[in-house]
Amino acid sequence: DTGVSQNPRHKITKRGQNVTFRCDPISEHNRLYWYRQTLGQGPEFLTYFQNEAQLEKSRLLSDRFSAERPKGSFSTLEIQRTEQGDSAMYLCASSLGSPDGYTFGSGTRLTVV
Amino acid sequence: QKEVEQDPGPLSVPEGAIVSLNCTYSNSAFQYFMWYRQYSRKGPELLMYTYSSGNKEDGRFTAQVDKSSKYISLFIRDSQPSDSATYLCAMSSLTGGFKTIFGAGTRLFVKA
Repeated sequence: DTGVSQNPRHKITKRGQNVTFRCDPISEHNRLYWYRQTLGQGPEFLTYFQNEAQLEKSRLLSDRFSAERPKGSFSTLEIQRTEQGDSAMYLCASSLGSPDGYTFGSGTRLTVV
Repeated sequence: QKEVEQDPGPLSVPEGAIVSLNCTYSNSAFQYFMWYRQYSRKGPELLMYTYSSGNKEDGRFTAQVDKSSKYISLFIRDSQPSDSATYLCAMSSLTGGFKTIFGAGTRLFVKA
């Protein structure tokens, strides 16, 4: 297992288009988290899954955002009708359910033009 | 007021210096305290983890947590140019599902 994998690494899209990102966690990890990070800021929590159940969503996650984790394996984060304010690094992390085992992927950098 | 406050720096030190990084927080429910290191265009990497108050040492790194003051610190001894990165403090609680709240990060530059 090579860690948490995120694809694509970079995405440039026009305002109003839909985008989807994928995260493949460490295989034995049951928890999966999505964060967003803008320049000069720390990551901000968006949502998390325990197995296939989405247990919490941040107020940052507007109706244009949706996340899924079918069968408790990989996860997707979709943003509909993208806006320039959505430009950020989207980070995925997975864990076994304790904070000392949190492993992040390298992120997907989204640029909305 | 943010839940976690961290001075963004930048902090520039000569090689070999002792570096002190700090964060304050407001939520007394936090039980787990972490420091992450993040290089440019990479995801954060867990550096140190502490449960509740106390000190933890790992090589050149020492993490301190003072829950009574809601204050955490990271010390780096004998700093190296390879330590140049952004250091993020982070906190979580069991009741919060271990979702982690991060500080803004401090950019550190260690000059050779």
